[in-house]
Amino acid sequence: QVQLQESGPGLVKPSETLSLTCSVSGDSISSSSYFWAWVRQPPGKGLEWIGSLRYNDGPYYSPPLSSRVTISLDTSKNHFSLKLSSVTAADTALYYCARLERTGHGSSVFDYWGQGNLVTVSS
Amino acid sequence: QSVLTQPPSVSAAPGQKVTVSCSGSSSNIGINYVSWYQLLPGTAPKLLIYDNDKRPSGIPDRFSGSKSGTSATLGITGLQTGDEADYYCGSWDRSLGEVFGSGTKVTVL
Repeated sequence: QVQLQESGPGLVKPSETLSLTCSVSGDSISSSSYFWAWVRQPPGKGLEWIGSLRYNDGPYYSPPLSSRVTISLDTSKNHFSLKLSSVTAADTALYYCARLERTGHGSSVFDYWGQGNLVTVSS
Repeated sequence: QSVLTQPPSVSAAPGQKVTVSCSGSSSNIGINYVSWYQLLPGTAPKLLIYDNDKRPSGIPDRFSGSKSGTSATLGITGLQTGDEADYYCGSWDRSLGEVFGSGTKVTVL
């Protein structure tokens, strides 16, 4: 059973960097079979993909966020991380980590998700 | 502003059927597969449908998916109170990457 769990601060000040970690159990992030992704949901709004990467492939970032986002893998701890710089109130959201299966024939599936980590940007 | 368009809400009585539409374009749904996700507060999102019409193991056959052109539809038959949730479609866009719908709240009357 694959399980993902987000962790990190719930409050970040404007202009600072948001940092979250996703711990993975039941699968190895060093396998090249799957991508590891971050998705967020601002209050009252829809889901927004932030970025994805897999071992030796990527990262790939959402174009609107690409200048501020860094996603990385730590294979020694079997976890991956998100850093979002220069945050504003618009970055307040529930941040999910997820496993993403993407095939060459146009299939893209988030098959396992964490429960989410609410991050509020406020001074 | 979501790339894929869904109705904000749909509703039906217990035991009835609801459908949720997802409209995209030739850059996403028109050329790629569609997935559907169920979001319940405080829980991890759940994959319901992938590759337009396939169900993962453990998802009951009350849930179905279809795709035609640049649109997709999620169907839920035999509606139960436990089906009250937000539902999102997802696909891949050749310019934007992974994209999601605007979300639909399903209410059981």
